[in-house]
Amino acid sequence: QSALTQPASVSGSPGQSITIFCTGTSSDVGGYDYVSWYQQHPGKAPKLMMYEVNIRPSGVSNRFSGSKSGNTASLTISGLQAEDEADYYCNSYTSSATRVFGGGTKLTVL
Amino acid sequence: QVQLVQSGAEVKKPGASVKVSCKASGFTFTTYAMHWVRQAPGQRLEWMGWINAGNGNTRYSQKFQGRVTITRDTSASTTYMELSRLISEDTAVYYCARDAAGAKKALDYWGQGTLVTVSS
Repeated sequence: QSALTQPASVSGSPGQSITIFCTGTSSDVGGYDYVSWYQQHPGKAPKLMMYEVNIRPSGVSNRFSGSKSGNTASLTISGLQAEDEADYYCNSYTSSATRVFGGGTKLTVL
Repeated sequence: QVQLVQSGAEVKKPGASVKVSCKASGFTFTTYAMHWVRQAPGQRLEWMGWINAGNGNTRYSQKFQGRVTITRDTSASTTYMELSRLISEDTAVYYCARDAAGAKKALDYWGQGTLVTVSS
């Protein structure tokens, strides 16, 4: 199972919006609405930010939103804040009943 | 509160095996699936496999099939990940994580991570 494709890096200024894309295949992202997103700060464990494409866990800011079209999912962060600077990973359930992560995207808040 | 507490750092020689534990508390262990994910230094998250803590069924990433074994001890609410035939590229932080309830297929709680260093 190949990793899902994410841009290596994105950046934005405070207050702006950014979108991170995650591209898979019909055997993972495109085949199921089981895409989740994780935020990871340096030296920390990942944190669940979105599940089932567009559902925020309790406690996650509504500045985070998710969507999916075909084989590509996306995570949008609006009103960028300094604390959003982190690595972001997408993850999908697959047709083999396994999971697969994306390559990760480093978000820089300028 | 949900907690996943992992065992301490390990240093192993190439060719050896390592077994990492993850003790769960704050929830009914046997009603969840538990996953193992690793992250090599400066690299991406990599899903390794999962175990149904209730019935012990497992599923592994093809990449690790034959080298990884995930088990659980329900009496201790603990899951274990054993990786054999270690090579230097297996140097990584290994995380356990809980599969969220309700078949959301997302990992909602994570352990603190265990650094495994493979070096001669």
